[in-house]
Amino acid sequence: KQEVTQIPAALSVPEGENLVLNCSFTDSAIYNLQWFRQDPGKGLTSLLLIQSSQREQTSGRLNASLDKSSGRSTLYIAASQPGDSATYLCAVNRRNSGYALNFGKGTSLLVTP
Amino acid sequence: EAQVTQNPRYLITVTGKKLTVTCSQNMNHEYMSWYRQDPGLGLRQIYYSMNVEVTDKGDVPEGYKVSRKEKRNFPLILESPSPNQTSLYFCASSFSIVERYTFGSGTRLTVV
Repeated sequence: KQEVTQIPAALSVPEGENLVLNCSFTDSAIYNLQWFRQDPGKGLTSLLLIQSSQREQTSGRLNASLDKSSGRSTLYIAASQPGDSATYLCAVNRRNSGYALNFGKGTSLLVTP
Repeated sequence: EAQVTQNPRYLITVTGKKLTVTCSQNMNHEYMSWYRQDPGLGLRQIYYSMNVEVTDKGDVPEGYKVSRKEKRNFPLILESPSPNQTSLYFCASSFSIVERYTFGSGTRLTVV
């Protein structure tokens, strides 16, 4: 069974800091990995998608890496802003046992002015 | 605007009263799925559909039904809701199982 773990569970940083969110998964049989952002009372927004054959993806101030063999991904946020405050979820798209995203429990990020 | 629309956004109902949560997407996506989100458990898949008339169980399908009669719609049906189905529900869609997912805004269901 695929287990996805995110560390830390919560993080508070001052505006302008660079930060790293971590995601680990137990089964390397995946199609891809996605990072989502969830704002209170709202749905999930897909930030980055890394296919299993790729090592990293970048979008603006966000950079995500994937090391499938070790079961790890990181989301790097550069020059954080208060508007980045949200919960960040990592999800692996598993290859076995049907077709589904297995989610971590998320990292709650607070960026203070 | 490309989106996944869920209705209702909020629903309070009583145990045993059948209900349907609707989900519609305007992106011509083949793949649709339902998730529930619970504190401490995260998001878990309920059902998914690869295409019209093709549906299958996810990780937590008990107590739920779905149908996919049209490509754009994927309703979630609770025939006899129970309090343990109180949760935040999300519908999602994508062009295929390996493409980026688009999620709806969620339906907060309370069963009393």
